[in-house]
Amino acid sequence: AQSVTQLDSHVSVSEGTPVLLRCNYSSSYSPSLFWYVQHPNKGLQLLLKYTSAATLVKGINGFEAEFKKSETSFHLTKPSAHMSDAAEYFCVVNTNAGKSTFGDGTTLTVKP
Amino acid sequence: EPEVTQTPSHQVTQMGQEVILRCVPISNHLYFYWYRQILGQKVEFLVSFYNNEISEKSEIFDDQFSVERPDGSNFTLKIRSTKLEDSAMYFCASSRQGRTEAFFGQGTRLTVV
Repeated sequence: AQSVTQLDSHVSVSEGTPVLLRCNYSSSYSPSLFWYVQHPNKGLQLLLKYTSAATLVKGINGFEAEFKKSETSFHLTKPSAHMSDAAEYFCVVNTNAGKSTFGDGTTLTVKP
Repeated sequence: EPEVTQTPSHQVTQMGQEVILRCVPISNHLYFYWYRQILGQKVEFLVSFYNNEISEKSEIFDDQFSVERPDGSNFTLKIRSTKLEDSAMYFCASSRQGRTEAFFGQGTRLTVV
């Protein structure tokens, strides 16, 4: 069985400071991992993906994530938060058949 | 850029009525999914569909639910007799292969009254 655990339900940062959203995964084989963002009353937008290529993956809007097998982690980072980054972020792991298992989500608040 | 399209964006229905949620997946994708998100909760998997049949379904996807790909473009979710607890945002998604990223539609907000 596969699962993801998002370690923080809420993260609050000031505009211009770094963002770190933490995700640990559990998978019986090499996982496919993703981060999605959901703005209020909007759909789910793919930020970035890891599918067994480079361990440091770059996504849209300046976000990055690093796959660390030894730590079973896939944390999402951004050097400098922008007000528009305020949203709900989901860490997701896929099965080979494509089923996506979502974490509980992390609400990111950006203070001016 | 290709996208998954869902209609309607919002559906209100009376308890016990049947509803059909519609989705147009990305045209060259082979895997199709439905998820739901009850307000304030996590996104939950309902069902996956490949090669014209259900490949996996969750415990939520009971006999009240069904999916269909009636033609080459649409993918539908039918709830036979809606209950209050079916109120949620329903997301359709598609992917080219099983392990690749899924692209999600904007969702249909279903309200059962």
